[in-house]
Amino acid sequence: AQKITQTQPGMFVQEKEAVTLDCTYDTSDPSYGLFWYKQPSSGEMIFLIYQGSYDQQNATEGRYSLNFQKARKSANLVISASQLGDSAMYFCAMREGPDNYGQNFVFGPGTRLSVLP
Amino acid sequence: DAGVTQSPTHLIKTRGQQVTLRCSPISGHKSVSWYQQVLGQGPQFIFQYYEKEERGRGNFPDRFSARQFPNYSSELNVNALLLGDSALYLCASSSVGYGLAGENEQFFGPGTRLTVL
Repeated sequence: AQKITQTQPGMFVQEKEAVTLDCTYDTSDPSYGLFWYKQPSSGEMIFLIYQGSYDQQNATEGRYSLNFQKARKSANLVISASQLGDSAMYFCAMREGPDNYGQNFVFGPGTRLSVLP
Repeated sequence: DAGVTQSPTHLIKTRGQQVTLRCSPISGHKSVSWYQQVLGQGPQFIFQYYEKEERGRGNFPDRFSARQFPNYSSELNVNALLLGDSALYLCASSSVGYGLAGENEQFFGPGTRLTVL
């Protein structure tokens, strides 16, 4: 079974609008971390935001926020006020376990976001 | 501060050859992970090394091997190359710790694009 599902292969958004990228995950481990990364065409993975399974509040980092619904096992990324530079692939990823030892990040298939002027 | 560096940036090999990819982590990071990203897919975990010991291994054949040096840099070796090994190989470094978002973040290098002909 897929551990990370991103059901939107591609998304379009108008510049300055908000957009939500979906991510659902599957784990039986009570301790896990969820991450979003941005990958521009250059190929480098850029960390955007992190949510721990025990975090009480949704994570926010500037224009990025994570809509964490633990019971539904979803961790959607919300980008507010989209900019042309936001056009890229976006990956949701999960780390199972409370720490980084034997780290095994699982990435989803990604969503390609295109911001329209 | 320098980020994660990888060399070479591009590489072309023929089937059956062997290749060595190199990675230098961020200063102070003792954990290095390797990922393979085939075009159009999310990265797949290959190895994690911490303090020169293998801490995790993904579902890759024994043709793939890695090591970590005393300065925490790392090499990924792939023997008997196949056409399917063509991919972007990403290296990520992190500190190792519990719970805090900053300690869980992986920093990725720009990747090595390997083409097998």
